[in-house]
Amino acid sequence: EVQLVQSGAEVKKSGATVKISCKASGYTFSDYYMHWVQQAPGKGLEWMGLIDPEDGETTYAEKFQGRVTITADTSTDTGYMELSSLRSEDTAVYYCATPSYSTSCYTCAFDIWGQGTMVTVSS
Amino acid sequence: QSVLTQPPSASGTPGQRVTISCSGSSFNIGSNTVNWYQQFPGTAPKLLIYRNNQRPSGVPDRFSGSKSGTSGSLAISGLQSEDEADYYCAAWDDSLTGQVFGGGTKLTVL
Repeated sequence: EVQLVQSGAEVKKSGATVKISCKASGYTFSDYYMHWVQQAPGKGLEWMGLIDPEDGETTYAEKFQGRVTITADTSTDTGYMELSSLRSEDTAVYYCATPSYSTSCYTCAFDIWGQGTMVTVSS
Repeated sequence: QSVLTQPPSASGTPGQRVTISCSGSSFNIGSNTVNWYQQFPGTAPKLLIYRNNQRPSGVPDRFSGSKSGTSGSLAISGLQSEDEADYYCAAWDDSLTGQVFGGGTKLTVL
């Protein structure tokens, strides 16, 4: 079964850094781009960035540029999203997602999603 | 303000046909395919339609998608109570070099 399993909920202080993991299974991890999506409470979906696990190349949304770092470890088939300088507006559920039906396609839709990781930022 | 524009809400009665629109630009829907996601409260989004009108395995054929110019549309026929959810459109944006989403449409089955 193709799936993405994310790490558990986090509570962080303002200014801190959070790192979330996303463990892939059931497919060849390095063949498919991994994306990260933010969803604040009661709000819509916002794309944060992507990584090509094959070579580690990343693309970030302008909104998060400079604060987000997305990495991938092909030895453990795990992707990571690190968000720094946390502020209250970063309180959200973060999802990893991948288009498992199309290799090397960064524009493709996401058919596989992680279960989400809730990050709460408190002052 | 989302890059793609959707109506915030839509509604229908059981058995009815409902459509949800998604308006974009030449940089996103105009030059790339439209995708649709369904999301229930407290759960991850689920891919409903990809490449404008393709349904992943397991998605009922009551759900259909289309695209014309810089707009996309999701249609749900034979509306059922279990269709009550949030629906998001999405597309790749060549100008922003990233995936963009609509603000979401909350579908209520009356």
